[in-house]
Amino acid sequence: EAQVTQNPRYLITVTGKKLTVTCSQNMNHEYMSWYRQDPGLGLRQIYYSMNVEVTDKGDVPEGYKVSRKEKRNFPLILESPSPNQTSLYFCASSFTGLMNTEAFFGQGTRLTVV
Amino acid sequence: DQQVKQNSPSLSVQEGRISILNCDYTNSMFDYFLWYKKYPAEGPTFLISISSIKDKNEDGRFTVFLNKSAKHLSLHIVPSQPGDSAVYFCAARDNYGQNFVFGPGTRLSVLP
Repeated sequence: EAQVTQNPRYLITVTGKKLTVTCSQNMNHEYMSWYRQDPGLGLRQIYYSMNVEVTDKGDVPEGYKVSRKEKRNFPLILESPSPNQTSLYFCASSFTGLMNTEAFFGQGTRLTVV
Repeated sequence: DQQVKQNSPSLSVQEGRISILNCDYTNSMFDYFLWYKKYPAEGPTFLISISSIKDKNEDGRFTVFLNKSAKHLSLHIVPSQPGDSAVYFCAARDNYGQNFVFGPGTRLSVLP
């Protein structure tokens, strides 16, 4: 089954404790992206990647890191989480060579930083 | 500055009537537009899309209209059903970078 898998689905952590949210897709997509959803602000892009070893900042990259060492994986790293990073996070993937294709989303990761 | 705007945070419609959700964009490089639907506790799911070479695309109860000169698109749902109650995101993709840019969403409530 074609899917984007995020782990964990729920996470509660303390300020300053490094964490990683994993994202994996099995559709051989070149494009992957991370978004956060906050009330009233919709989906804001954190980072995106057009292919292996190619990453770019989105609208709200501060406090986040990503890596794209393999095509299927795009982990989101919070080196020192803070309470303002409490949010609902979504990973997405898509083809880049075909223009008229949609992005597929994971189920989301709800992160709480206390 | 937001490149994709959805100026109505919420919309309520009676069951059986038409729902019209609007979206405006500023980047003239966008040439592919999509609508996503999101239920609570789930990821957004693709609903319908339109290429910039068209002005209308229809899929069952859902129709998307594109007015390139006005940089405006709309999603029509006819007839609206209670199961359509969700948050709808408008998204755009540019031909150059091929990144996806999303609007802030409109929460649709279809009242029985």
